[in-house]
Amino acid sequence: EVQLVESGGGLMKPGGSLRLACTVSGITFSDAWMSWVRQAPGKGLEWIGRIKSKRGGGTTDYAAPVKGRFSISRDDSESTVYLHMNGLKMEDTALYICVWMNRVTIPGFWGQGALVTVSS
Amino acid sequence: QSALTQPASVSGSPGQSITISCVGTSSDVGAYNSVSWFQQHPGKVPKLMIYEVTNRPSGVSERFSGSQSGNTASLTISGLQTEDEADYYCSSCTSSAICLFGGGTKLTVL
Repeated sequence: EVQLVESGGGLMKPGGSLRLACTVSGITFSDAWMSWVRQAPGKGLEWIGRIKSKRGGGTTDYAAPVKGRFSISRDDSESTVYLHMNGLKMEDTALYICVWMNRVTIPGFWGQGALVTVSS
Repeated sequence: QSALTQPASVSGSPGQSITISCVGTSSDVGAYNSVSWFQQHPGKVPKLMIYEVTNRPSGVSERFSGSQSGNTASLTISGLQTEDEADYYCSSCTSSAICLFGGGTKLTVL
């Protein structure tokens, strides 16, 4: 059974930094392309970034609203993908969900999310 | 890139069929055979209902079907049931797994 479990959410002040982790089981993680998606309260889904498998190049891409502030990394030995968030803004308040991109173009398996609240 | 365009809401009666559209451009929806559809009930994370335009994951009811014409993808739900009431999102992802989501459609089963 595929499972994705996020951790690390919390209440942060504007300008702060936070790292989310997503630990994955049930798949060969080293081959997995992983994305992060967020959902602000009462709003829709927003793709924020992706990291390829190392075999796929290990590269990352980000959506415009987070580019330069957020970064994604992975530790294949721990089957974990990270979302590093810097320069947090109030508009970053959202549920952050990690997603396994099975077959690359399919956001097929979703975690339960980690809530990040940015408030002064 | 802008989000894909979906109607804010649709409604139907039990037993009826409804269709939700997802309009993109020739750079996203029209460029890749990769539209997915997700169902999200309140307080839950999205559930994949359709992938690669027309395919249903194991366990998803045959009442859910997808199609695409040019830059517009569509999700059709036939034989509406009360448990279908939820928010529905489309997505389009490139071959490099860069994705766009639609703004979401609230389905009300009257």
